[in-house]
Amino acid sequence: DIQMTQSPSTLSASVGDRVTITCRASQSINTWLAWYQQRPGKAPKLLIYEASTLESGVPSRFSGSGSGTEFTLTISSLQPDDFATYYCQQHNTYWTFGQGTKVEIK
Amino acid sequence: QVQLVQSGAEVKKPGASVKVSCKASGYTFTSYYMYWVRQAPGQGLEWMGIINSSGGATRSAQKFQGRVTLARDTSTSTVYMELSSLTSDDTAVYYCARARGVGHGGSYPFDYWGQGTLVTVSS
Repeated sequence: DIQMTQSPSTLSASVGDRVTITCRASQSINTWLAWYQQRPGKAPKLLIYEASTLESGVPSRFSGSGSGTEFTLTISSLQPDDFATYYCQQHNTYWTFGQGTKVEIK
Repeated sequence: QVQLVQSGAEVKKPGASVKVSCKASGYTFTSYYMYWVRQAPGQGLEWMGIINSSGGATRSAQKFQGRVTLARDTSTSTVYMELSSLTSDDTAVYYCARARGVGHGGSYPFDYWGQGTLVTVSS
């Protein structure tokens, strides 16, 4: 099974900050990686797929990069709506999620 | 617009089974694979299985093999997930989700999600 490891687990930041979350795969997944945002009590929302492609309707302050085993999600200027938990997911071989990164208010 | 509407919350006793439904609308149901994902309280997301909405073929995560049954009804555009031999560890919110693309064995991320169904297992 492919394991996905996110860091950090929790991130404290302020509105306007640039935020970066890292996701590492236990083996190469090419660019078959997606990022999701989940707010409390809500279903996850797809933000980015194929490592760097922004899903329709997602603000351009979100961006993704990486390939192989190392990936990043960047929020260029954190907005109040962005305080949430973020998950990476590989879909190279079945589907596996990272453990999540909670972005909280500093 | 694409919508996935799931059945309501369930409370079950240990050893029982639960069946959750997910009714799709707003797109051609048989064109897209569907998935099931669960999330235990305060925990992360866990993929459970996938169903081909057209042919009905299924695959489940090894952890759930023998305990999960996925099915679909094309006449009502509904997919079902049944989980048996429930324990307290199965207390979670269960989500259905749709593949972001068509074909390719469903090897896509998930673009639309149901609202979630809370299943509580308690004696």
